[in-house]
Amino acid sequence: DAGITQSPRHKVTETGTPVTLRCHQTENHRYMYWYRQDPGHGLRLIHYSYGVKDTDKGEVSDGYSVSRSKTEDFLLTLESATSSQTSVYFCAISASKTGSDEQYFGPGTRLTVT
Amino acid sequence: KQEVTQIPAALSVPEGENLVLNCSFTDSAIYNLQWFRQDPGKGLTSLLLIQSSQREQTSGRLNASLDKSSGRSTLYIAASQPGDSATYLCAVQPSGNTPLVFGKGTRLSVIA
Repeated sequence: DAGITQSPRHKVTETGTPVTLRCHQTENHRYMYWYRQDPGHGLRLIHYSYGVKDTDKGEVSDGYSVSRSKTEDFLLTLESATSSQTSVYFCAISASKTGSDEQYFGPGTRLTVT
Repeated sequence: KQEVTQIPAALSVPEGENLVLNCSFTDSAIYNLQWFRQDPGKGLTSLLLIQSSQREQTSGRLNASLDKSSGRSTLYIAASQPGDSATYLCAVQPSGNTPLVFGKGTRLSVIA
């Protein structure tokens, strides 16, 4: 599992509230990613990071922000949650140290916005 | 823009059958291709990664092939078992350390 944990694993929140999801890795990988998975859409990239304080937007970044102040943590924030952000959120790392760039995923966070 | 397609969306086979899952992509300039397995309500488990310079990779009963020029990859599962029932996802990486572009997956059911 490449030492990836996500917290919380499940969350129910109300529309308009801020929400922060955390991804933690233990192996000092440089590249980290946030994806969301929705029926009919598959997995789509929200944001990714290529180092501490270095981030970039993905395909579905509107309404989301990220921060990476330490190598091991990549935070995803929904500034004001909407029902369209109900989804399963996955964090991933790229095992670039091995030279393969194989990506490994965390267990996911199921978010429901009511 | 790279697009990844997996056909069929769902497949049901009897136990013991050999089967092939298909993945196609629109831009042949890829860095690597990765196959994942996802069980219901769970995360993604990496099965096989094929570098752009490779033609195939094998792990146990699984064999993945890559034909970049035609924009296709296949995942071959030999002697299928009920435990193989899951959704199989194909993803391509355009260049090193870039995010993956995913297909929508094939949901496989192996019937005992």
